[in-house]
Amino acid sequence: AQSVSQHNHHVILSEAASLELGCNYSYGGTVNLFWYVQYPGQHLQLLLKYFSGDPLVKGIKGFEAEFIKSKFSFNLRKPSVQWSDTAEYFCATGGSYIPTFGRGTSLIVHP
Amino acid sequence: DTGVSQDPRHKITKRGQNVTFRCDPISEHNRLYWYRQTLGQGPEFLTYFQNEAQLEKSRLLSDRFSAERPKGSFSTLEIQRTEQGDSAMYLCASSSTGADTEAFFGQGTRLTVV
Repeated sequence: AQSVSQHNHHVILSEAASLELGCNYSYGGTVNLFWYVQYPGQHLQLLLKYFSGDPLVKGIKGFEAEFIKSKFSFNLRKPSVQWSDTAEYFCATGGSYIPTFGRGTSLIVHP
Repeated sequence: DTGVSQDPRHKITKRGQNVTFRCDPISEHNRLYWYRQTLGQGPEFLTYFQNEAQLEKSRLLSDRFSAERPKGSFSTLEIQRTEQGDSAMYLCASSSTGADTEAFFGQGTRLTVV
C-alpha cells in the first residue's frame, strides 16, 4: 500500500518568511497526492491535490506544491506566510481510494 | 450546512462502557471513511464503505470496534468495552466515486475514556 512520510514535524517561522514542507511518497502505481490543513479547532480541509498533468499545483490561500516523480516528493510551498497559516499540515496519498496520511507538520507563525 | 457532520462532538465515558458515534456524509457521496487521530499524529485509517458495503478494515480495528452503514447513507461506529487507549479523535470523511476525488472531513468526535 502507498504511504507518505513528512520530515518536518514542527516548524516555527516569522511572518513573511517562506515555507517549504517536505512530503515523500512510496511508489505504488497510480499516484494521487493531497495536502490537507487543520486550523486550530477546525476540521481537515483540502489545500490542494495532484492526480496528473502539470506537476506544479496551485491551491487555496497562496499555497502550491510540486510533484517531482524522480524524487518521490510532493513538497508544499508558500512564498510568504501569515500568522493565520498557523495550523497542522498533512500530506496524504489516495492511490487505493483510501487516503493515507503522514504524521503531519505543526506550523507556528509568529506575528 | 451540507458538509460531513458527526455526533456527538465530545464523549466522556467510563472504561468498560460502550459508545456509538454517528456520521452523516455529504448526501451524494458513495464512499465513507472512519479514521482515528491521536495527538501529534495524522489520521489513521479504520474502515471504508462504498454505499452500504464495508470494503476494507484496518488491523487497527479490533473486535471491539464495529461500523455499519445500513442504507448507504449515515454510518455508525461502535466501540464496546472501551479502554483508556481508545481515547482519541474519531474522524469521518466522505467522497464521491471516481478517480479524481478528495475526501471531505467532519469535525470529529473526541472520545475520552476515564
